[in-house]
Amino acid sequence: DTGVSQNPRHKITKRGQNVTFRCDPISEHNRLYWYRQTLGQGPEFLTYFQNEAQLEKSRLLSDRFSAERPKGSFSTLEIQRTEQGDSAMYLCASSLILGRPYGYTFGSGTRLTVV
Amino acid sequence: GESVGLHLPTLSVQEGDNSIINCAYSNSASDYFIWYKQESGKGPQFIIDIRSNMDKRQGQRVTVLLNKTVKHLSLQIAATQPGDSAVYFCAENGKTSYDKVIFGPGTSLSVIP
Repeated sequence: DTGVSQNPRHKITKRGQNVTFRCDPISEHNRLYWYRQTLGQGPEFLTYFQNEAQLEKSRLLSDRFSAERPKGSFSTLEIQRTEQGDSAMYLCASSLILGRPYGYTFGSGTRLTVV
Repeated sequence: GESVGLHLPTLSVQEGDNSIINCAYSNSASDYFIWYKQESGKGPQFIIDIRSNMDKRQGQRVTVLLNKTVKHLSLQIAATQPGDSAVYFCAENGKTSYDKVIFGPGTSLSVIP
């Protein structure tokens, strides 16, 4: 296991289209987080899962956003009817409950460009 | 509201010198304060954390200092190397949940060879 994997690395889509991103966390990690990062800013929390349960969602996660982790392993983040303001880097991270609680392992992200 | 901010957006240091990156925070209820490093094209990488009941913690070439009186956090990097060039984020766990991290806007560190 080489870390957290995110696909695709880059996505260009037209405004109004739907997009879906995938995150494969480190296999033994039971927590999975989604963040969004715009240029020059720190990552902003979107949502997180413990196993398959989605435990918290940010107010940033509008009705157009949905995240799933159906079997407690990989996760998907879908954005419906994309808007130009959705252009950002979408980061996934995973961690263990035990150990350093904030020692997240991040993936390299999916860069979304909405044109 | 909750916020974690940085005093300086950019920092340039000579290779071999020590670097100090500062951060101000406003949420006194946080349990943990964390430093992450982000290189271009990569996700943030955990460097070191410190619990709110401590004022200093050392790692390999890095030291984090926490001053709760003035709500200030700093990251010291000893003998800065070119590989240390990156954006550094201070972060804290949110007061409404034990299980998420709130990031500040970041400081860009450039190491001059």
